[in-house]
Amino acid sequence: DTAVSQTPKYLVTQMGNDKSIKCEQNLGHDTMYWYKQDSKKFLKIMFSYNNKELIINETVPNRFSPKSPDKAHLNLHINSLELGDSAVYFCASSQDRGLSGELFFGEGSRLTVL
Amino acid sequence: AQKVTQAQTEISVVEKEDVTLDCVYETRDTTYYLFWYKQPPSGELVFLIRRNSFDEQNEISGRYSWNFQKSTSSFNFTITASQVVDSAVYFCARWSYNNNDMRFGAGTRLTVKP
Repeated sequence: DTAVSQTPKYLVTQMGNDKSIKCEQNLGHDTMYWYKQDSKKFLKIMFSYNNKELIINETVPNRFSPKSPDKAHLNLHINSLELGDSAVYFCASSQDRGLSGELFFGEGSRLTVL
Repeated sequence: AQKVTQAQTEISVVEKEDVTLDCVYETRDTTYYLFWYKQPPSGELVFLIRRNSFDEQNEISGRYSWNFQKSTSSFNFTITASQVVDSAVYFCARWSYNNNDMRFGAGTRLTVKP
């Protein structure tokens, strides 16, 4: 069983489209994250949810909207895709802040905007 | 945001050489954790080590060792007798207890040549 799973793994789409990436964790963790990794490999945090509540919202265009229907899921919806959105998006989860903070990552979703 | 700095963008060594990857972090927190992750060419993020802010003891795991120095806010990573399979991008990260926030350095790309 994959601990943190993301779908799809690859996504190729046209500029202007709307797309979603789904993430699920079966570790019972309270906190989930979305990170964006650009072509230079820089890992930038986008969002963090703790028990379905948004706790970190970095300077991300409002075309990006995270949705957490329950604490095991954190989906990322992107409207009006732009070329600069091309990147690998990593979902991650961690136990509550009272513990060590180790992140468990999904395998990444490579988004290519043409 | 409190930064994590990995000043070495790329390092290239020949197999069997020792190599040290530098990491300097900023924090106003007294409780935090430091991490190293490895990202091989296959793209997944692999956890290597976690160290909490109250434990400055250095750690050795096989060919890997870590030197945590609070006085200089550094958490350096040394690979002894490097191997080609060590070729990857290595990320240092800091997790803040206060806001459950994991920040990554820009990564160091290590290439080990045969």
